[in-house]
Amino acid sequence: DVVLTQTLVAQPVRLGDQASISCRSSQSLVHSDGHTYLEWYLQKPGQSPQLLIYEVSNRFSGVPDRFSGSGSGSDFTLKISRVEPEDLGVYYCFEGTHDPFTFGSGTKLEIK
Amino acid sequence: QVKLLQSGAALVKPGASVKMSCKASGYTFTDYWVSWVKQSHGKSLEWIGEIYPNSGATNFNEKFKGKATLTVDKSTSTAYMELSRLTSEDSAIYYCTRDTSYYFDYWGQGVMVTVSS
Repeated sequence: DVVLTQTLVAQPVRLGDQASISCRSSQSLVHSDGHTYLEWYLQKPGQSPQLLIYEVSNRFSGVPDRFSGSGSGSDFTLKISRVEPEDLGVYYCFEGTHDPFTFGSGTKLEIK
Repeated sequence: QVKLLQSGAALVKPGASVKMSCKASGYTFTDYWVSWVKQSHGKSLEWIGEIYPNSGATNFNEKFKGKATLTVDKSTSTAYMELSRLTSEDSAIYYCTRDTSYYFDYWGQGVMVTVSS
């Protein structure tokens, strides 16, 4: 199975600062159809995960443009340009390229 | 708007089974797969398997074969997951999701299952 590695806790950030979260895959996430199915989810305290970014860099409907995704192959990054209080929670990367689908272990975003 | 409404929390005895539901609305139920995801307490997420309502076709994570059974009722746009031979390792929150084939764009609110005598 693919292993997605995330740091457990992100460097604490101040509100309004930029945050960056990384996800490294044990295998390339390029699908045979040419797409890269690497997604980012945010799970706020007490809530279900919500989709932020799909296929590396596409923001899901309603997601603020302060969220952006980048990367290729097996190395990916989620950036939050100006952290707001509602951005707190655990961020998971996910890959839908290989069987079985797998999630990263999650990165908790903390405020300084 | 797309909604996935899951059944309520369950307290079940070891060795028993539990069946939970996920009622979809706001989209054509038969056009999308439904996936199920497990989240053990304080831990990450695991994909259990998926079902395509139009045909009933299923795919499973090998880890959950024999543990989870997925079914649908197209007439009510409802997906079901049954977990069998429950142990304490099955205590978790279980989510249903709308599955585009490659990722999950909408999630239910989750069902907490507690296995205890």
